[in-house]
Amino acid sequence: GENVEQHPSTLSVQEGDSAVIKCTYSDSASNYFPWYKQELGKRPQLIIDIRSNVGEKKDQRIAVTLNKTAKHFSLHITETQPEDSAVYFCAASPQTGNQFYFGTGTSLTVIP
Amino acid sequence: DGGITQSPKYLFRKEGQNVTLSCEQNLNHDAMYWYRQDPGQGLRLIYYSQIVNDFQKGDIAEGYSVSREKKESFPLTVTSAQKNPTAFYLCASSGRYSNQPQHFGDGTRLSIL
Repeated sequence: GENVEQHPSTLSVQEGDSAVIKCTYSDSASNYFPWYKQELGKRPQLIIDIRSNVGEKKDQRIAVTLNKTAKHFSLHITETQPEDSAVYFCAASPQTGNQFYFGTGTSLTVIP
Repeated sequence: DGGITQSPKYLFRKEGQNVTLSCEQNLNHDAMYWYRQDPGQGLRLIYYSQIVNDFQKGDIAEGYSVSREKKESFPLTVTSAQKNPTAFYLCASSGRYSNQPQHFGDGTRLSIL
């Protein structure tokens, strides 16, 4: 089955700096890669996703890049703000079915 | 997402007791999922269902059971066979086809008395 690894497990940045979280996956058949943000005690919420026919996608301060050859994808947050502090999860989903395989999460702290 | 409702928010289980967590969705989604979340371990899949009256085991199904009698509902029973049930349980739903995001409920926190 699919195996998703996520790094780093914790990340602290100064407000206004950029944050980058990286994930790798093992199954070359995976073709959908969502990112979720989870604030303490709350539900994970989708913040951005990318499909394998696209190399990069951007939504305001958030961007995701995908390298299918190397089987890795990354989340980039620019101009970080304190409200960006949360746990971020990446996931990979195969072509068939809709099961997600999640990374272990990155706890991001933005220091004011 | 307001379309997925989990109850209760907090639940306590006594020794040898089965407890059932409720998950209801009004998003008209075909697929529903149950995840367990422990600190530092991300989300682990317990069971999922892609259609009514059908469900499959995930990675950590032992000690859990589910049913899918209605499209809107996917209850999870934590049985007494689950020796370490203390965790945060999340229910999610999605469309039937691949490449669609999953939408989560607010979760149920289960603790042992």
